[in-house]
Amino acid sequence: DAKTTQPTSMDCAEGRAANLPCNHSTISGNEYVYWYRQIHSQGPQYIIHGLKNNETNEMASLIITEDRKSSTLILPHATLRDTAVYYCIVRVVGTYKYIFGTGTRLKVLA
Amino acid sequence: NAGVMQNPRHLVRRRGQEARLRCSPMKGHSHVYWYRQLPEEGLKFMVYLQKENIIDESGMPKERFSAEFPKEGPSILRIQQVVRGDSAAYFCASSPAVGTDYEQYFGPGTRLTVT
Repeated sequence: DAKTTQPTSMDCAEGRAANLPCNHSTISGNEYVYWYRQIHSQGPQYIIHGLKNNETNEMASLIITEDRKSSTLILPHATLRDTAVYYCIVRVVGTYKYIFGTGTRLKVLA
Repeated sequence: NAGVMQNPRHLVRRRGQEARLRCSPMKGHSHVYWYRQLPEEGLKFMVYLQKENIIDESGMPKERFSAEFPKEGPSILRIQQVVRGDSAAYFCASSPAVGTDYEQYFGPGTRLTVT
């Protein structure tokens, strides 16, 4: 599976958009990008995933560059409850194994 | 619709004892995955099971660790003769199938402390 690179930590003001980047320069054509978050050592929570196109759901938006070598998770209006570790994961289509990195620790500030 | 259930949430064992961790997948899910998380690290895949079958145990330590998912009842991760290095959070996840768009849903985890 492709390796992902994320910043170790980020701060964001409450109410502002949080933009979390992820590099996956060795990604293959059949690999999806998944985002999960882990709030205070709870179980990881699924956020969103995508292959080529940008995706949006009730939690977040996922922007994938045209060459697919990087992506950005956008939380449009961050709240204090969004403080968590965010993991960007690349997974081959049809497989099951997630390979977690160390993620980005996002701190939302009041 | 209940999520993935794990119990116990916290488990304390002395060195040399056995630890049994249980996982009940979401309703309708027949695929179970176990991950381990050491402090300040990301989750590491351990094993993937379907009912009565171990599909991939490539992440399991060769000794002392075993997993099962019987026809009836929860999936069990068993650690025999625990050592201090087994202290970690163990997460179970489930999915309805394996395929393009099936994300895994995680349980709250079991925190094992070996004294």
